[in-house]
Amino acid sequence: SQTIHQWPATLVQPVGSPLSLECTVEGTSNPNLYWYRQAAGRGLQLLFYSVGIGQISSEVPQNLSASRPQDRQFILSSKKLLLSDSGFYLCAWTRAHEQYFGPGTRLTVT
Amino acid sequence: DAKTTQPTSMDCAEGRAANLPCNHSTISGNEYVYWYRQIHSQGPQYIIHGLKNNETNEMASLIITEDRKSSTLILPHATLRDTAVYYCIVRVGGDYGGSQGNLIFGKGTKLSVKP
Repeated sequence: SQTIHQWPATLVQPVGSPLSLECTVEGTSNPNLYWYRQAAGRGLQLLFYSVGIGQISSEVPQNLSASRPQDRQFILSSKKLLLSDSGFYLCAWTRAHEQYFGPGTRLTVT
Repeated sequence: DAKTTQPTSMDCAEGRAANLPCNHSTISGNEYVYWYRQIHSQGPQYIIHGLKNNETNEMASLIITEDRKSSTLILPHATLRDTAVYYCIVRVGGDYGGSQGNLIFGKGTKLSVKP
């Protein structure tokens, strides 16, 4: 069966510090991968998606970036965090009609 | 913006059916209706989807009106673990591997199942 992992589960970082969140998928090959962010009390916002290794598309201009160094690995990064980067970050992959989400990383920028 | 309208919140007694409505009056002919739910502090979970026929799986039933402008998600025997925010989403179906695959989540309906 397919499984999606995210780490860390929670993170507290100061403003201006770097960020690296990792997502890995098991049990499938060449998945379409997505990064979403959910601010407190709000819906999900698509940040990046990837259809293959090294292929990244950005939906929202911001100080975040994404990379896909391996088929089943998706990384979200930032060189300098802003207070507005706080939120719940979710990785997801799709199969036909269904989108599967990871457990998420709760990021607090202080 | 989300293409759907849902009530902000609903209550349901444990063991009773929960009926969650969704309006999607601008739905296009090639767009599907999807339902997801998000339990507090977890990632969203796929529930069910449909195009125009009613659908049923082990989790729920989806009733779509004949004009496809609205639908209802039915949880036949709600339990306390069904307490969550339920999202009704309309988009082109399938896995397009890109922004067309993006799920636009609105604010959803917060369902509270009470003992």
